[in-house]
Amino acid sequence: DTGVSQDPRHKITKRGQNVTFRCDPISEHNRLYWYRQTLGQGPEFLTYFQNEAQLEKSRLLSDRFSAERPKGSFSTLEIQRTEQGDSAMYLCASSFSRLNTEAFFGQGTRLTVV
Amino acid sequence: SQQGEEDPQALSIQEGENATMNCSYKTSINNLQWYRQNSGRGLVHLILIRSNEREKHSGRLRVTLDTSKKSSSLLITASRAADTASYFCATDATNAGKSTFGDGTTLTVKP
Repeated sequence: DTGVSQDPRHKITKRGQNVTFRCDPISEHNRLYWYRQTLGQGPEFLTYFQNEAQLEKSRLLSDRFSAERPKGSFSTLEIQRTEQGDSAMYLCASSFSRLNTEAFFGQGTRLTVV
Repeated sequence: SQQGEEDPQALSIQEGENATMNCSYKTSINNLQWYRQNSGRGLVHLILIRSNEREKHSGRLRVTLDTSKKSSSLLITASRAADTASYFCATDATNAGKSTFGDGTTLTVKP
């Protein structure tokens, strides 16, 4: 069991470019979550999947953000036309869907928009 | 806005002392969880306490939950320099599929 894996670990991009992040959850987990965290703040929920279905999206997830989990395994988070305000750590987590179960987090992708 | 609020925002203690962090939340919950995060890294799950539990222990960690006051505390006993990190509480609200985090307590343990 290799845990939750995120790629890349760091991404520097110019404003206006598109970026895509990948998350590989723990293989037995059917739930996958994306969070965003800025310096000095706690993680903010973006969206989550159960298998391949996207069950909830936060208002934080503007039209420039899209997430997919096509086969219920890995997930991608794409940000189009990046803005400086998108600079943050993007965290992925996975868990079982049963009640009162812990989520396991990846190491995150640090995005810097210049 | 975040569901949980941790108190204090920052805590600095000497090695060997105990550290207590508090968390307050707003809605009915299924459970409350505590996580640790070292600088620039991902979150590590420490302990989960269910809404029908009042206290839980794991090694040097002790968590209490008071659902009538909508609050929780995390006690780290005999702290070590390696405990230096940010600590977050997260709640799974009733009928919600995800956890909602507070803004954390930054703990510094001086050797």
